[in-house]
Amino acid sequence: QSVLTQPPSASGTPGQRVTISCSGSSSNIGSNYVYWYQQLPGTAPKLLIYRNNQRPSGVPDRFSGSKSGTSASLAISGLRSEDEADYCCAAWDDSLSGWVFGGGTKLTVL
Amino acid sequence: EVQLLESGGGLVQPGGSLRLSCATSGFTFSSYAMSWVRQAPGKGLEWVSAISGSGGSTYYADSVRGRFTISRDNSKNTLYLQMNSLRAEDTAVYYCAKDQLYFFDSSGYFAYWGQGTLVTVSS
Repeated sequence: QSVLTQPPSASGTPGQRVTISCSGSSSNIGSNYVYWYQQLPGTAPKLLIYRNNQRPSGVPDRFSGSKSGTSASLAISGLRSEDEADYCCAAWDDSLSGWVFGGGTKLTVL
Repeated sequence: EVQLLESGGGLVQPGGSLRLSCATSGFTFSSYAMSWVRQAPGKGLEWVSAISGSGGSTYYADSVRGRFTISRDNSKNTLYLQMNSLRAEDTAVYYCAKDQLYFFDSSGYFAYWGQGTLVTVSS
């Protein structure tokens, strides 16, 4: 059971906009930054969004992040087939003094 | 280019031990905290342990505290995880991850990850 809650799956057609939610609590998302990772099958996580809404160099601006209260969202616009992957949110947890993650959302491009 | 390469995974019986290594290059190893994060088959990521840049401070998840020991050799640019009293629930791919800061705290995050090494605990 992951500390952060994500829907297990999401889907969309090419060109569509999809959003993936991440729900936490006051000790993690409510008081700290949220991070998003993309994980292709059999590969290491890749940082997609840091500090709620910042994109590392090389990440397309089709990917965007937002946070409100104890929840966060990842939005992917102009969906492409190569976006099919698992997406995971993360945040520091003040109560645990460590990182907590969501269970991951498997995105399918129909 | 930052590179992280884990090794040492394998099949081990319950109660056994294993030592993981993470060889690094492309950055000043001693200037950054490092962590181990694991992913059980079909499950989400779980932070396991962290160590400050000097190695003087270590941190553990409750699930492994007292059984796992994290360490680093800054002269060899290598991170380690000694795993003792292994249980079936420790079965996972173990990733090493580079922090953005010297200290392990809420200001950092993981921008770089290794490819992982699989640990299977089974009789």
